[in-house]
Amino acid sequence: DTAVSQTPKYLVTQMGNDKSIKCEQNLGHDTMYWYKQDSKKFLKIMFSYNNKELIINETVPNRFSPKSPDKAHLNLHINSLELGDSAVYFCASSQDSGVGEQFFGPGTRLTVL
Amino acid sequence: KQEVTQIPAALSVPEGENLVLNCSFTDSAIYNLQWFRQDPGKGLTSLLLIQSSQREQTSGRLNASLDKSSGRSTLYIAASQPGDSATYLCAVTLIGGSQGNLIFGKGTKLSVKP
Repeated sequence: DTAVSQTPKYLVTQMGNDKSIKCEQNLGHDTMYWYKQDSKKFLKIMFSYNNKELIINETVPNRFSPKSPDKAHLNLHINSLELGDSAVYFCASSQDSGVGEQFFGPGTRLTVL
Repeated sequence: KQEVTQIPAALSVPEGENLVLNCSFTDSAIYNLQWFRQDPGKGLTSLLLIQSSQREQTSGRLNASLDKSSGRSTLYIAASQPGDSATYLCAVTLIGGSQGNLIFGKGTKLSVKP
């Protein structure tokens, strides 16, 4: 029944490693997103993607890259992890090419040591 | 640049009280405004979505209003319950923005005391 799911829920890793977070939605939506929630609980968009276009927030380092194997999945790859990457990462999806209601996954708490 | 502000940052009320959470935004060119609830350590749950052409939306004990021209929205919670304790976030989708990206406020942390 889960609409937007993410794995893993928790991820602890060392600086310099490369890691991935997976996201799947079973709502048939056409647009998916990645958001970052920092230690002060502030949520900011990182990427939005539909089957036509990837929009990257200009403040996101190029160590972060979204990859979409199909319409229902948008995975987040992070290279050369840094301490400042520690945060909770949320995946979301919506219909209507981005102007519909957005539904969020449960989040992945990433801790970089 | 769109900025979303939520006041107050935290609110504590006794059970049964009616309350209002405020959200303001600086750019009125929005597609819609969405209210979310976030419980500690959890994801976001969508509560209400108001399109830019609408004035309000209701769901159970929740009522959200939108005054686009003044850049304001309120979330009214009637007869509050301890289970309503959570952080409430508002977010807007900009017209001409990137693919419907939500711009979030920093939230109001609500505590309802039994």
